[in-house]
Amino acid sequence: DQQVKQNSPSLSVQEGRISILNCDYTNSMFDYFLWYKKYPAEGPTFLISISSIKDKNEDGRFTVFLNKSAKHLSLHIVPSQPGDSAVYFCAASSWGKFQFGAGTQVVVTP
Amino acid sequence: DAGVIQSPRHEVTEMGQEVTLRCKPISGHNSLFWYRQTMMRGLELLIYFNNNVPIDDSGMPEDRFSAKMPNASFSTLKIQPSEPRDSAVYFCASSIQGTSSYNEQFFGPGTRLTVL
Repeated sequence: DQQVKQNSPSLSVQEGRISILNCDYTNSMFDYFLWYKKYPAEGPTFLISISSIKDKNEDGRFTVFLNKSAKHLSLHIVPSQPGDSAVYFCAASSWGKFQFGAGTQVVVTP
Repeated sequence: DAGVIQSPRHEVTEMGQEVTLRCKPISGHNSLFWYRQTMMRGLELLIYFNNNVPIDDSGMPEDRFSAKMPNASFSTLKIQPSEPRDSAVYFCASSIQGTSSYNEQFFGPGTRLTVL
């Protein structure tokens, strides 16, 4: 039962442009949402998070938006850089227990 | 800080053999999580421990899988007998579980398991 879904398995974007990654969830009990970034042969690393009481959180080139009514969150990367090429996992938390999406492979082309 | 340490990094075994994956969490962290990553389902939580006690093992696929945490600095995930469909990357993560709903999890580098 996938409660967190990333429907786009891959995304290709040109360097300098915006990358938009989407994530949907079904469980209204989730109260914290996170994005993790994963390079090949490494474990996922934390990127950015947002509490359910907010609708936007920004950290440098990365912004996460949360639409609770739609049970949808997105990650914007502006501008995209070659080093952003990785797999991005969306995660939702309820009392410390995370559920992850299947991931979106981002490729930033020159 | 060395971060979360997992061993082995790669394991190739034959169907029917026992496989043991090991994890050393970050010192001072009181929660430990085992995940499995597959192409189809992404990162699935298998089991997690809080203060060395298993809290939720609902993600463990079947009785062939077992996990232990004998002390705060060591955990194992065992598969016996292993099957080809168990082939995946297995991650261990740890966190400091407090009273907040959110506690960042730190992941190890993973163990890539191949069962032939």
